[in-house]
Amino acid sequence: GAVVSQHPSRVICKSGTSVKIECRSLDFQATTMFWYRQFPKQSLMLMATSNEGSKATYEQGVEKDKFLINHASLTLSTLTVTSAHPEDSSFYICSATTPGGISTDTQYFGPGTRLTVL
Amino acid sequence: EDKVVQSPLSLVVHEGDTVTLNCSYEVTNFRSLLWYKQEKKAPTFLFMLTSSGIEKKSGRLSSILDKKELFSILNITATQTGDSAIYLCAVSTGTASKLTFGTGTRLQVTL
Repeated sequence: GAVVSQHPSRVICKSGTSVKIECRSLDFQATTMFWYRQFPKQSLMLMATSNEGSKATYEQGVEKDKFLINHASLTLSTLTVTSAHPEDSSFYICSATTPGGISTDTQYFGPGTRLTVL
Repeated sequence: EDKVVQSPLSLVVHEGDTVTLNCSYEVTNFRSLLWYKQEKKAPTFLFMLTSSGIEKKSGRLSSILDKKELFSILNITATQTGDSAIYLCAVSTGTASKLTFGTGTRLQVTL
C-alpha cells in the first residue's frame, strides 16, 4: 500500500517553456502532498505543501508564480514550472501522506522527475 | 530555523560490518523523526519514531530515539552491498507534518 507515482520520470525542455509534473497517490487518498527539489549530492528541500482544494503553502524563497501547484483532487497534485530556465534543472520529488493522526507524518515519496532545461 | 544534522556524511565499510548512523536535531514543535533510504530515485520509508527509548527493528536495521538529547541512531548489522545508499533522517514538525531533512549519510558497502 501507499504507492505514489509521478509523471513524467524525465523531461528535457527548452528555456522559456513550461513543464507540468503530475503526482498521484494510487491506493489512498492524500489530503496533503508535498513538493521537494533535490540538487546533486544534496538533501531534499521542501518547496511547498499542497492541500486538496486550497492554495499551496510555499517555503521561503520559492516563487509561487514560477512554481504553480494545483491539488484538484485527493489523489492528484501537479507542479508546473513556468518559463523554465537552466537553473531550474533539478530532481523534483513529490510525497503524500495518509490521513489520520500521527501517521500523517509518514510521507510516501514518488519516484521523482528529473528536469533538464537546455 | 529547524535544523537536522547527520553524521558521518559518508562511510565505506566491508560487507558484514555493523554501522551506526547518527542524526541530531534542533526544531520547534517536534512530532516525530523518520528514517529513509534513498538509492537512485526517491526515498523509501524505513522507520518513524515518536517515543524515546523504544527501539524499532526491521530485519538487520534498527533505530532508537532520544528526545532528551535530541538525537537518533540507525543501526545496520551484517551489512550487505544492497545496503549501499544514502540514508536520510527527517524530523516532522508542526501541525502540517512538514519534514525537515538532514543532508544524509552516504553508505557504501564493499565486498
